[in-house]
Amino acid sequence: DVQMTQSPSSLSASVGDRVTITCRASQGISKFLAWFQQKPGEAPKSLIYDASSLQSGVPSRFSGSGSGTDFTLTISSLQPEDFATYYCQQYNTYPPTFGQGTKVEIK
Amino acid sequence: QVLLVESGGGLVKPGGSLRLSCAASGFPFGDYYMNWIRQAPGKGLEWIAHISSSGSTIYYADSVKGRFTISRDNAKKSLYLQMTSLRAEDTAVYYCARNLKLYYSDYWGQGTLVTVSS
Repeated sequence: DVQMTQSPSSLSASVGDRVTITCRASQGISKFLAWFQQKPGEAPKSLIYDASSLQSGVPSRFSGSGSGTDFTLTISSLQPEDFATYYCQQYNTYPPTFGQGTKVEIK
Repeated sequence: QVLLVESGGGLVKPGGSLRLSCAASGFPFGDYYMNWIRQAPGKGLEWIAHISSSGSTIYYADSVKGRFTISRDNAKKSLYLQMTSLRAEDTAVYYCARNLKLYYSDYWGQGTLVTVSS
């Protein structure tokens, strides 16, 4: 299975900060990476797919980049509603696998 | 709008069985592949099963293979997960999710909690 490793596991940031989360795959996955946001007690919500394509309705402060094994999710200006846990997922290779999550907390 | 509503979760004893359902609306259900994904309490996400639009192609995670069965009824716009020989480690919130491409899910239901305990 392809192992997905996110860093950091958690971070503290302030409203307005630029936040970057990294996801590394144990083998190349081309562009087939998605990012999800999950708030406590809620289902995951899709943010980005194909590494950099914004899901419909997602604010433009979210962006993704990368290909192969190294990927990044960037929030350009953190908003109060962005405090949540973020997961990456590869869907290039069966079985699809998720990163362990990155919790973004209020500083 | 796309809506997925899971049901059927609950408390079950180890070795028991449970059938989860997912009712879909707001999109042409029969045109889409579907997934089941679960999340143990306080843990991350685990993909467990995938079914093609016609139901002819099915894949399972090794952790559930031989114990869980995914199926669908396109006329009823419903997805199912039959779970047997349940174990404590199957305790999780189970989500159904619409597959947009490959194994990427763009819409998820709100989830249903399955607790396996004596």
